[in-house]
Amino acid sequence: GAGVSQSPSNKVTEKGKDVELRCDPISGHTALYWYRQSLGQGLEFLIYFQGNSAPDKSGLPSDRFSAERTGGSVSTLTIQRTQQEDSAVYFCASSLVGFSNEQYFGPGTRLTVT
Amino acid sequence: SQQGEEDPQALSIQEGENATMNCSYKTSINNLQWYRQNSGRGLVHLILIRSNEREKHSGRLRVTLDTSKKSSSLLITASRAADTASYFCATGSGNTPLVFGKGTRLSVIA
Repeated sequence: GAGVSQSPSNKVTEKGKDVELRCDPISGHTALYWYRQSLGQGLEFLIYFQGNSAPDKSGLPSDRFSAERTGGSVSTLTIQRTQQEDSAVYFCASSLVGFSNEQYFGPGTRLTVT
Repeated sequence: SQQGEEDPQALSIQEGENATMNCSYKTSINNLQWYRQNSGRGLVHLILIRSNEREKHSGRLRVTLDTSKKSSSLLITASRAADTASYFCATGSGNTPLVFGKGTRLSVIA
């Protein structure tokens, strides 16, 4: 079946611009996660959606970052007024239920802020 | 802050040899997961071991968990060039986000 998809695969933007990153999780997965990975580093948790519960935003690095999940499916991560330190690969993952289950990752969006 | 820390940071072996990677963590967990990441790609789940398990196998993979030492190891037997990737451990506490380490970069030389 179809895996997690993300778009765009690459995004180059100028400092100060807003960007939107999209994630289509696996159908039927109630949990959705956003992570980012800087070069040579591990994954940094950003935000988690589980069903209709309020999202866990504890990993968002600043109020410039926000995310939505519409209809319990597609999610959009928005970064406002991008900064150079926002440059990273942003991964989306989904799982059947919450944290204790295996997560299926998308291919990532490489964001470069110039 | 990072919970799981992999060791070594990088490992280079010949094809056919075994590769062992270790992961240490600091707080109580209810499961530990290992993931593989090929260069420029998303992570792929390899194996999940629960806190009440000590060893788990999946094909050429063997994972051990020692909760008293707060450590886990991933053994890849009879390595292949296709095993070249970064390997991450991630610790789960049930209702908090998985915490990923920085990974071990494995190079298998044909």
